[in-house]
Amino acid sequence: GQQVMQIPQYQHVQEGEDFTTYCNSSTTLSNIQWYKQRPGGHPVFLIQLVKSGEVKKQKRLTFQFGEAKKNSSLHITATQTTDVGTYFCAGYQYSGAGSYQLTFGKGTKLSVIP
Amino acid sequence: DTEVTQTPKHLVMGMTNKKSLKCEQHMGHRAMYWYKQKAKKPPELMFVYSYEKLSINESVPSRFSPECPNSSLLNLHLHALQPEDSALYLCASSQDQGGSSYNEQFFGPGTRLTVL
Repeated sequence: GQQVMQIPQYQHVQEGEDFTTYCNSSTTLSNIQWYKQRPGGHPVFLIQLVKSGEVKKQKRLTFQFGEAKKNSSLHITATQTTDVGTYFCAGYQYSGAGSYQLTFGKGTKLSVIP
Repeated sequence: DTEVTQTPKHLVMGMTNKKSLKCEQHMGHRAMYWYKQKAKKPPELMFVYSYEKLSINESVPSRFSPECPNSSLLNLHLHALQPEDSALYLCASSQDQGGSSYNEQFFGPGTRLTVL
């Protein structure tokens, strides 16, 4: 079945430093989504990437989708304490009979030291 | 209304109890999901309903029984659970189950289940 690997598992940064998390799939993805889960909270959708080589920005967050549609990254510039949480990538893959299935990476837990 | 609601927020049950988790959305979404999330782990897909029909069952034990009474509601019936079933149970919905269209999943706040 589809596997989505995500690294690093944990990242501790000083406030103001940059942060990057990487995602790799064993198979080609239809698209990839990114979610953020705050401590004690639930996953909240951030963005979806669909096209090969796509790059999208949301303020300090930059999302990339690889040319082969097998890898993706999320980069946060100048982290703030509000960025704390676990960032999950989730890959959509066709699972047959007209259905698609979302498989989550293990997540990267970001801690920001003020 | 872009909210998925779940009840109860917390549930403690014994191994012989029968209980149900409830999920509701009023966004007109036609796909609804149950996920199980253990501490420090990603959400793990359990069931998917598409247009009120069960489309994916990820080999979940029969002590978990999903039900979709209508397009807005999703239940998860629990019976004879084990302590290792203690986890956060998340419900989510999306426009449909297609992977090529814009199809973000909206998650509810979850039910934190403890099985004694």
